[in-house]
Formats: sequence, structure tokens, C-alpha cells
Amino acid sequence: ETGVTQTPRHLVMGMTNKKSLKCEQHLGHNAMYWYKQSAKKPLELMFVYNFKEQTENNSVPSRFSPECPNSSHLFLHLHTLQPEDSALYLCASSYRAGETYNEQFFGPGTRLTVL
Amino acid sequence: AQSVTQPDIHITVSEGASLELRCNYSYGATPYLFWYVQSPGQGLQLLLKYFSGDTLVQGIKGFEAEFKRSQSSFNLRKPSVHWSDAAEYFCAVGGAGTYKYIFGTGTRLKVLA
Repeated sequence: ETGVTQTPRHLVMGMTNKKSLKCEQHLGHNAMYWYKQSAKKPLELMFVYNFKEQTENNSVPSRFSPECPNSSHLFLHLHTLQPEDSALYLCASSYRAGETYNEQFFGPGTRLTVL
Repeated sequence: AQSVTQPDIHITVSEGASLELRCNYSYGATPYLFWYVQSPGQGLQLLLKYFSGDTLVQGIKGFEAEFKRSQSSFNLRKPSVHWSDAAEYFCAVGGAGTYKYIFGTGTRLKVLA
């Protein structure tokens, strides 16, 4: 595997379900990001981890719970979601957070549908 | 307020024709500017970036962009479009000391054979 991978690629869940999204980067980076991409809206930064420490929580509802066990893996735990949470969830990584000139590399995303 | 505007939601061009995608930004500090492309079912791939220096930057896949500070613009161009360029294109702005990108809403490019 190379670059940034995300699993699953598609997920359908009910509002009472609990599921997790997984992201793995094979680039030796130290920063990882979760974004939400909704139709006709700009990408929304959700969470940032730098050297496994969360450095950004962009006022994300608590029904989204991130976890970063090491610099290569990032999870997004989901519970009691709402239909408006349906979106493409993108993971990205960069050498380190703190400077935008550290290019962010994106994964293919998980298409989430909440019924 | 910091923002990125991509005024064209959809653009259709014929294969072989030239292309220009518009991007205007509002940013309080010296901007770092980016263009990303997203093909269907894929994540975002960086096409090119501008931090400083020559205002005309070259990217991958034959794309270039020109930074015009006076117009707060960073338009993306390609002299001859290929059918494989059909995708969605995102402009983004960031700045020194921050990892936060501000993205535009994207321009979807359709290429006619």
C-alpha cells in the first residue's frame, strides 16, 4: 500500500449504529487530519492530530470521536449520527502540522450514508 | 473574513481546447495558494502550489496557475484539455504558521470528445 488509504470506502448505517472509519498513511508523516466533504460546501476540517496529539477540534459534535493510536493510523468513531452527517469523509496527512507548506496528502475517502 | 471563491460551479470544454478555472481569495496575511483535483471516487491530489517567488507556477499534468496579488486571484490554466482532465478542481488558501486550508466549493469540469 502506498499513500493514504481509507476503509471502508462506503458505509451505510442507521442512526442508532456504532461504526468506525479507518485511515492509514504510509508516508512517514506525523500529522493526520479528518475532513468532511458535503455537496456544494467547502471542505470542512474536523480534527487534526500532530505526533498523536489532538491539536484541533473544529467544534465537531461529540457523536464523532477521533482516535490516533500512532502517527500512521487515524480512526473516526461514529455513534448516533444524524442524516445530515451523510457525506464523504476524507483523511489526509502531512509531514507535520503547523505549516501549510507541508503539503497534505489525501486518501480516497469514505462515502457515509446515514439512514 | 478569510474565504475562497470559485465562481464557476460547472465548466464544459471540448477536448483540445484551452481551460481557465477562476479562483479568488480573501486572506488577511500572505497567502499560500493551492489547486487540488478530485477525480470521481478519489481523494484530492495536489496539482500545484504557490508560496512565493515567480507568480507563474507550473504543476503536474500540464497545468499552470498565475498569482495576481492585485486581483486576489490564482487562476488555473491548461493550454489543451484532455478527456482525462474531467474532474472537480478545488482552490485552497493557507498561510504561514497555520495548517488550516480554506477551500473553495470546487469547479466541476466536463470534457467533450
